[in-house]
Amino acid sequence: AAGVIQSPRHLIKEKRETATLKCYPIPRHDTVYWYQQGPGQDPQFLISFYEKMQSDKGSIPDRFSAQQFSDYHSELNMSSLELGDSALYFCASSSLMAGLYGYTFGSGTRLTVV
Amino acid sequence: AQTVTQSQPEMSVQEAETVTLSCTYDTSESNYYLFWYKQPPSRQMILVIRQEAYKQQNATENRFSVNFQKAAKSFSLKISDSQLGDTAMYFCAFRSPDGGATNKLIFGTGTLLAVQP
Repeated sequence: AAGVIQSPRHLIKEKRETATLKCYPIPRHDTVYWYQQGPGQDPQFLISFYEKMQSDKGSIPDRFSAQQFSDYHSELNMSSLELGDSALYFCASSSLMAGLYGYTFGSGTRLTVV
Repeated sequence: AQTVTQSQPEMSVQEAETVTLSCTYDTSESNYYLFWYKQPPSRQMILVIRQEAYKQQNATENRFSVNFQKAAKSFSLKISDSQLGDTAMYFCAFRSPDGGATNKLIFGTGTLLAVQP
């Protein structure tokens, strides 16, 4: 079965650079969620989109922005990168009425800022 | 706001034995969903088991079962016949019902389980 695809798997950037992470949800899933997981920490919700509109916002820095496109894929844009942005970034998708079925997570993008 | 608490940062169990991971949560909602996710060293987030608050029957998935105590707001995970492959970080997570303002998952801080040979 098709899963949530994230690219790239690994990314190394220098401080103050920009990074773009991509997420391709499961077909027919209309909702995308972004999470940030620092080393040894639990995943923290950043932002979500439903039908290409932002549906919820968490602890996402102003330096970050995201959008969902007409084909439902989503991109997380991160500017002025800081060392503290080094983390595993998960994308997950669901249908809005996923109920008990929850999310399907991608394998994550590991961002290292040096 | 909803919160999820896992009070056991680390646990260890011998292979083939049974272990129980604790999770408590706080919410004012009457219906919601609870999940246990497993995150092995590969860092992939894998759904282990799920429970709807309106269902009193505890969910079971092979060697994994939960003890859901709604009044106590407790949702513990029992792993029977532990296997080396069960070694992972386990996260308890809460989700509000569909149609609400948010469908985000709220995670606990995790329990690192080590299965010893």
